[in-house]
Amino acid sequence: AQTVTQSQPEMSVQEAETVTLSCTYDTSESDYYLFWYKQPPSRQMILVIRQEAYKQQNATENRFSVNFQKAAKSFSLKISDSQLGDAAMYFCAYRRTQGGSEKLVFGKGTKLTVNP
Amino acid sequence: NAGVMQNPRHLVRRRGQEARLRCSPMKGHSHVYWYRQLPEEGLKFMVYLQKENIIDESGMPKERFSAEFPKEGPSILRIQQVVRGDSAAYFCASSPLVTDTQYFGPGTRLTVL
Repeated sequence: AQTVTQSQPEMSVQEAETVTLSCTYDTSESDYYLFWYKQPPSRQMILVIRQEAYKQQNATENRFSVNFQKAAKSFSLKISDSQLGDAAMYFCAYRRTQGGSEKLVFGKGTKLTVNP
Repeated sequence: NAGVMQNPRHLVRRRGQEARLRCSPMKGHSHVYWYRQLPEEGLKFMVYLQKENIIDESGMPKERFSAEFPKEGPSILRIQQVVRGDSAAYFCASSPLVTDTQYFGPGTRLTVL
């Protein structure tokens, strides 16, 4: 079974600085999707960024970028120019691309605090 | 295009009562997923449905829990004879195609007294 591990329960960053959140996963599949979701205090799950495993280029969305290392099964999220509104729980998630059930497998999350 | 809708947002039940959670997917989405989030935990998959079909219920407890997605109307997650351990946030997500990104609703916070 696939597993997702986020080894940092909590992280903090100064406003305007850069922070990297770690995520590793375990799978025997060769093609899959990886996601980072943000959950602010409102508890709404918000998609931050998505990566397709067959694409070697790292995904970017404005201040958010990933470092996808397929061989190492690592998928870290970098937040540049951190803003107060970035404070939230961040969840890494995995999804296989085939097989009839495309459920997401989540890590336990990293709580990010942004200090003014 | 309205997002995924869930109601109620908060639900309080006493032990032994039934809880009924509703999810209306985004327009054009025919795939619905239910996830449960226990306090201080990540989301855990429960069930995946398409219209009138349960595709994968491998994450659903065998007893007291059921889900449906009828031809007309919202998807329903039903929990019978609730216990305190059922207290959690229940999230619904939808996607237009099986390979597309899942978009989440705001969740229903169930509290069992």
